[in-house]
Amino acid sequence: GNSVTQMEGPVTLSEEAFLTINCTYTATGYPSLFWYVQYPGEGLQLLLKATKADDKGSNKGFEATYRKETTSFHLEKGSVQVSDSAVYFCALYTSGTYKYIFGTGTRLKVLA
Amino acid sequence: DAGITQSPRHKVTETGTPVTLRCHQTENHRYMYWYRQDPGHGLRLIHYSYGVKDTDKGEVSDGYSVSRSKTEDFLLTLESATSSQTSVYFCAISTRDGSSYEQYFGPGTRLTVT
Repeated sequence: GNSVTQMEGPVTLSEEAFLTINCTYTATGYPSLFWYVQYPGEGLQLLLKATKADDKGSNKGFEATYRKETTSFHLEKGSVQVSDSAVYFCALYTSGTYKYIFGTGTRLKVLA
Repeated sequence: DAGITQSPRHKVTETGTPVTLRCHQTENHRYMYWYRQDPGHGLRLIHYSYGVKDTDKGEVSDGYSVSRSKTEDFLLTLESATSSQTSVYFCAISTRDGSSYEQYFGPGTRLTVT
């Protein structure tokens, strides 16, 4: 079945450091891929998405590229801020299934 | 903001009691979902709905039932709450954006079963 695997957290970085959070997936067909962010005490918010191979999703300085050859969708940001501290979830959706599959989440902590 | 509210936001209940959580949306979306979030498990799908009176099970549906009598409301019921159902519960809707779908979440309900 479909699945999403994310790197274990927590990830602790200093402000202005480069961020990578790895995400790989297993899916039949051509899934859409997503990154969600969850701040403390809140629901998940859609951060970015990509719907086909080689698409790059971007938002708020975060980027992720849909790599079909490596079945990956790694999240990157060039310079993190303290306000980026949150839990990040990778997810996929396959058309016709009505269902989204989420990774277990990666906690990011950014120190001033 | 997809206009999703959940009630109650916090609840403490005793083992064996029935509990109903409500999800309300204001934008007439067809697809609605209930998830639970637990440390180390991420989000797990409990039930989902693809229209009024049309529902189906997710991966962790045992001990839960749902109902959707109106487009805007999706109810999750724990018939007899157990301590293993202590969790944070999120409702979500799915909406089409061009050729893809996107999912939006409510603020969550923190349920404690003592």
